[in-house]
Amino acid sequence: DAGITQSPRHKVTETGTPVTLRCHQTENHRYMYWYRQDPGHGLRLIHYSYGVKDTDKGEVSDGYSVSRSKTEDFLLTLESATSSQTSVYFCAIGRGINLRNTEAFFGQGTRLTVV
Amino acid sequence: GQQVMQIPQYQHVQEGEDFTTYCNSSTTLSNIQWYKQRPGGHPVFLIQLVKSGEVKKQKRLTFQFGEAKKNSSLHITATQTTDVGTYFCAGLGTQGGSEKLVFGKGTKLTVNP
Repeated sequence: DAGITQSPRHKVTETGTPVTLRCHQTENHRYMYWYRQDPGHGLRLIHYSYGVKDTDKGEVSDGYSVSRSKTEDFLLTLESATSSQTSVYFCAIGRGINLRNTEAFFGQGTRLTVV
Repeated sequence: GQQVMQIPQYQHVQEGEDFTTYCNSSTTLSNIQWYKQRPGGHPVFLIQLVKSGEVKKQKRLTFQFGEAKKNSSLHITATQTTDVGTYFCAGLGTQGGSEKLVFGKGTKLTVNP
């Protein structure tokens, strides 16, 4: 779907361990996003990127960091996983040349469980 | 910060009935987008509205953007079981000096055949 792949698709990890989720796109789009989805909260933006090494925080960025060293990869790291970070994580790409003319195309999601 | 409110949170209808979900923003939006997420799936882009008062149709779906660019609605005529899913609006607005796409919490639609 839209050349976007998330890995892993499922992960169970222990509290306090670092976790990295990967989002890979094959289409060279500028904008990439990480969202988390929880019941009753919808989709909440964690971080987003508007180019290589250009990232910004979303509304729920505490406890998360991101890196984008290549156009095609956007990594989300949970520095020390907590149970409150159990969620479904979606990566999305924005296909437009700027935010005003772009829609988000989502990956399949990563289901992360922190025990 | 910018907030996007969506109502209702849940809607259950009989097949053939109409359905409407509403989206309201605390700030003026540059544009509004609508997405559909099937159970167990990922959000899929439906449409984008940009102009004040804009109305767009996709078969049985009608999308509206308010005159003040702070609210929007999605109306489905004569629902079918294939319409089941969660519908999200997403508003592009300015927050902290930069533009961000903020999603509403979604309206979960179930259709009884």
